Amino acid sequence: EDQVTQSPEALRLQEGESSSLNCSYTVSGLRGLFWYRQDPGKGPEFLFTLYSAGEEKEKERLKATLTKKESFLHITAPKPEDSATYLCAVRTMDSSYKLIFGSGTRLLVRP
Amino acid sequence: DGGITQSPKYLFRKEGQNVTLSCEQNLNHDAMYWYRQDPGQGLRLIYYSQIVNDFQKGDIAEGYSVSREKKESFPLTVTSAQKNPTAFYLCASSPDGANTGELFFGEGSRLTVL
Repeated sequence: EDQVTQSPEALRLQEGESSSLNCSYTVSGLRGLFWYRQDPGKGPEFLFTLYSAGEEKEKERLKATLTKKESFLHITAPKPEDSATYLCAVRTMDSSYKLIFGSGTRLLVRP
Repeated sequence: DGGITQSPKYLFRKEGQNVTLSCEQNLNHDAMYWYRQDPGQGLRLIYYSQIVNDFQKGDIAEGYSVSREKKESFPLTVTSAQKNPTAFYLCASSPDGANTGELFFGEGSRLTVL
């Protein structure tokens, strides 16, 4: 069964304290991996698409990387406004239009 | 501004009642989706539609129904057959459903059954 697991469930950082969020996946064939940010009570907002192992994407303080089994979202020198839930999703060769989402990592950055 | 509009934002329902959640987009996207989000769980797909007058069941379609009579609109009805309807419902769209994971989400509708 295709599965996406995110860890940790929750992460508290001090402002400026860099860290990484993990998304591990077990799928029959990866068609793409996607990262979203979700603020409380809002819909998710698209961040990155990764298609193949070794690929990296960057946006401001965020960098996403991909291996054959997992993806990392690295947060460098985070600010309080980076506090949100970060969701990982995959599309598989079999799933066509469906994205399989992980349960997310809740990030809190304290000033 | 272009985007997806969901309404209502909050909805309360008595047991046994059907309710309809509205989703409208002005992005000219072909594909539209309904997801359900519960605390501690990932988003789960209820229904999706690739073109007007066509839609497919997702993983948890039981107790829900949809229609796609216009490109811009994809309403979701939560019927009395849905045993645990209290949840946060998210509508999304994409320009080309099969070739992108970039979904554009609405602000969500929170349904509470009293």
